[in-house]
Amino acid sequence: DVKVTQSSRYLVKRTGEKVFLECVQDMDHENMFWYRQDPGLGLRLIYFSYDVKMKEKGDIPEGYSVSREKKERFSLILESASTNQTSMYLCARSHRGGYTFGSGTRLTVV
Amino acid sequence: DQQVKQNSPSLSVQEGRISILNCDYTNSMFDYFLWYKKYPAEGPTFLISISSIKDKNEDGRFTVFLNKSAKHLSLHIVPSQPGDSAVYFCAATSYSGAGSYQLTFGKGTKLSVIP
Repeated sequence: DVKVTQSSRYLVKRTGEKVFLECVQDMDHENMFWYRQDPGLGLRLIYFSYDVKMKEKGDIPEGYSVSREKKERFSLILESASTNQTSMYLCARSHRGGYTFGSGTRLTVV
Repeated sequence: DQQVKQNSPSLSVQEGRISILNCDYTNSMFDYFLWYKKYPAEGPTFLISISSIKDKNEDGRFTVFLNKSAKHLSLHIVPSQPGDSAVYFCAATSYSGAGSYQLTFGKGTKLSVIP
């Protein structure tokens, strides 16, 4: 089974802090995604990446950036965290149309 | 513009009865439809899918029906069990170039199965 691992299950950060959310997959798959999930809004795509050093904006990229230096690792960066970025963040990888999600990181910005 | 819509934010069903979760879409280019199940504090897990060229797919207690002319799909769970209580997301894939597919999600329906 493919594993997608998100380094933190719960994070609490202060407003204005730079925040890194890490995601690692254990297969050599190209496509990786970052979503956020909010009640009543479902899953919304922030950024995705087709390969190393490639990135594409999703539906809600504002306030976020990403890094893909190695194929297995896709990092989401909040340059200056704000309270409206309090959310559940989900990383996913896809291969031949199938998606596998990580367990999620619950980020609270205070 | 929401391309995948789940118009019911919540649904309550008695244990043993049928649960029917509905989903509508607007993009006729979607080629695969999927249902994901999500428990609190966990990532979504794949449940069942259906190709756009089929109208029904069955896997145990779960059946997905696709009506392309109405751009509507539904997930049937029979019989419903308390462990089925979760948020269910409808999703659809479309080709986004460079050999990659993109998932578009609905907002989810919270299913509560009452013992």
